[in-house]
Amino acid sequence: NAGVMQNPRHLVRRRGQEARLRCSPMKGHSHVYWYRQLPEEGLKFMVYLQKENIIDESGMPKERFSAEFPKEGPSILRIQQVVRGDSAAYFCASSEGQFNSPLHFGNGTRLTVT
Amino acid sequence: LAKTTQPISMDSYEGQEVNITCSHNNIATNDYITWYQQFPSQGPRFIIQGYKTKVKNEVASLFIPADRKSSTLSLPRVSLSDTAVYYCLVGPGSGGYQKVTFGTGTKLQVIP
Repeated sequence: NAGVMQNPRHLVRRRGQEARLRCSPMKGHSHVYWYRQLPEEGLKFMVYLQKENIIDESGMPKERFSAEFPKEGPSILRIQQVVRGDSAAYFCASSEGQFNSPLHFGNGTRLTVT
Repeated sequence: LAKTTQPISMDSYEGQEVNITCSHNNIATNDYITWYQQFPSQGPRFIIQGYKTKVKNEVASLFIPADRKSSTLSLPRVSLSDTAVYYCLVGPGSGGYQKVTFGTGTKLQVIP
């Protein structure tokens, strides 16, 4: 059973470009979370999605950031017009959705904005 | 929301047992306690989860007292490869994980 798959592992973008980060949850998991982590810091919640629905996007900046989890295909975190401050590691996690189901994480996408 | 408090860092020699304690005074009735391990440049890896008393798996043990206001992760006979950051999470209760916060974790350094 494959774990949570994220790609690309590393992404370099120039300021003003768009970044697209993809996440395929574990098989059977319909709940996806995106987190952002800066060096030496903990993970910060960004957005929580279920298939075709955004459940909570309270941790995501209102401008330039968007997320989706379509009926078919991976979840996508999209950052438009990237700025240097967007440089970070972005992690995706999935769960079965029951109240005691633990999160399972991918190995992240490290975004560098030059 | 249950806030967690862990030591920022710990050092241990190889072969010793390591106990990392997490305080979570306002844990809710439906909350579970979950521990994760994170290596540099990797995502957090699930270690163990419990609700009360003691849970044990092939990697670690988790001790939770009756009042559930704290928990202790026990790693038997650590090796250099156990050097990592360990996070204690409390939740998600009846909701999702969006309200569950990762603190800065405990940075464990295993010394040869």
